[in-house]
Amino acid sequence: TQLLEQSPQFLSIQEGENLTVYCNSSSVFSSLQWYRQEPGEGPVLLVTVVTGGEVKKLKRLTFQFGDARKDSSLHITAAQPGDTGLYLCAGHTSGSRLTFGEGTQLTVNP
Amino acid sequence: GAVVSQHPSWVICKSGTSVKIECRSLDFQATTMFWYRQFPKQSLMLMATSNEGSKATYEQGVEKDKFLINHASLTLSTLTVTSAHPEDSSFYICSARTTGTPNQPQHFGDGTRLSIL
Repeated sequence: TQLLEQSPQFLSIQEGENLTVYCNSSSVFSSLQWYRQEPGEGPVLLVTVVTGGEVKKLKRLTFQFGDARKDSSLHITAAQPGDTGLYLCAGHTSGSRLTFGEGTQLTVNP
Repeated sequence: GAVVSQHPSWVICKSGTSVKIECRSLDFQATTMFWYRQFPKQSLMLMATSNEGSKATYEQGVEKDKFLINHASLTLSTLTVTSAHPEDSSFYICSARTTGTPNQPQHFGDGTRLSIL
């Protein structure tokens, strides 16, 4: 059973569209990170959220941590081809282990 | 920001060869480093947790005699794939966490593409 369920797994959209990626769990996370990974490279940290209900913005990206700290979402406004990549959520539970979601492969077509 | 360097970035070798991959934290000390394996268009699968000065902790199903981990200093961990076979071909990624609270974000290397012929 996947501890962190990420959806959708694949998303192909046109440039300028908006999208939301979801990361859900039945477990409570002390912190949750979002990463973006391009082919042949390691994941790059986008944001860390730690407080229930927290919202963070990074240019056209908006990250939200659920009130109960069990879920998170990533919303991208006016997607661009440069946003193409694998988006990964990852969370820390009570221990130090970082658990990854299955990933969302985003393709933004020009 | 924190930088993690992984070397080599790409290895092609014959079946039966042992391959060593290095992971270095360049501007911070990392008590703990992590080794992951990733298949195309899939998420990262944790293989083992490497602790400086002690034995690595391996995930269920990962053969510790096959994937040797050494974490001899606060800035270097190595993963050696012993007697590699084609099924070991994959993308291997390391990450490091700064010392301090366990919930610090991990910083990832750029990965090593391993191809066994």
